[in-house]
Amino acid sequence: GQNIDQPTEMTATEGAIVQINCTYQTSGFNGLFWYQQHAGEAPTFLSYNVLDGLEEKGRFSSFLSRSKGYSYLLLKELQMKDSASYLCAVRDLANAGKSTFGDGTTLTVKP
Amino acid sequence: DTGVSQNPRHKITKRGQNVTFRCDPISEHNRLYWYRQTLGQGPEFLTYFQNEAQLEKSRLLSDRFSAERPKGSFSTLEIQRTEQGDSAMYLCASSSGDYNSPLHFGNGTRLTVT
Repeated sequence: GQNIDQPTEMTATEGAIVQINCTYQTSGFNGLFWYQQHAGEAPTFLSYNVLDGLEEKGRFSSFLSRSKGYSYLLLKELQMKDSASYLCAVRDLANAGKSTFGDGTTLTVKP
Repeated sequence: DTGVSQNPRHKITKRGQNVTFRCDPISEHNRLYWYRQTLGQGPEFLTYFQNEAQLEKSRLLSDRFSAERPKGSFSTLEIQRTEQGDSAMYLCASSSGDYNSPLHFGNGTRLTVT
């Protein structure tokens, strides 16, 4: 099975940079996804990592270290609209379609 | 791409009643998933289909829960003899068969059992 840990809450200031960490223990690994979920809405896809290293996508970047079971999501130039929950999800190797989610990190961006 | 559609958006039912939810995935996606989410938690896996075949069902899911995807297109999730602990947001998602394909979620059905 999968065990995924993320901080529960984080607070940052508009315009700043914030890093949200995710650690996982898994019996099989076929990629790690980050999703954003605004209150009352469905999760939406942000990024995907399957190999070690950094993936950059505009203001958002995601890093993966498979040997350490560790990923982070980096958000730059924070905007008020970035206030949301950020979910780390690991895709299973045995069941290639199934993803297991962490409980999410609620980010509050303050002016 | 019209996105993943779920109906109804909200359902209020009395304990002991049966409820059924519907999910219409993105048409070209062959994989369909059901998740359940409660406040402050991440989505919890319930079951998933590849085309019409149900490939996995969570061990946490009681026999009161059943899901179907009869023609490999839309899916239904039925909960029999609902309990107050079933109150949650039920999310449907779909994806293609590509290894790096993310989940595309619908807006969910919020179930309240009174």
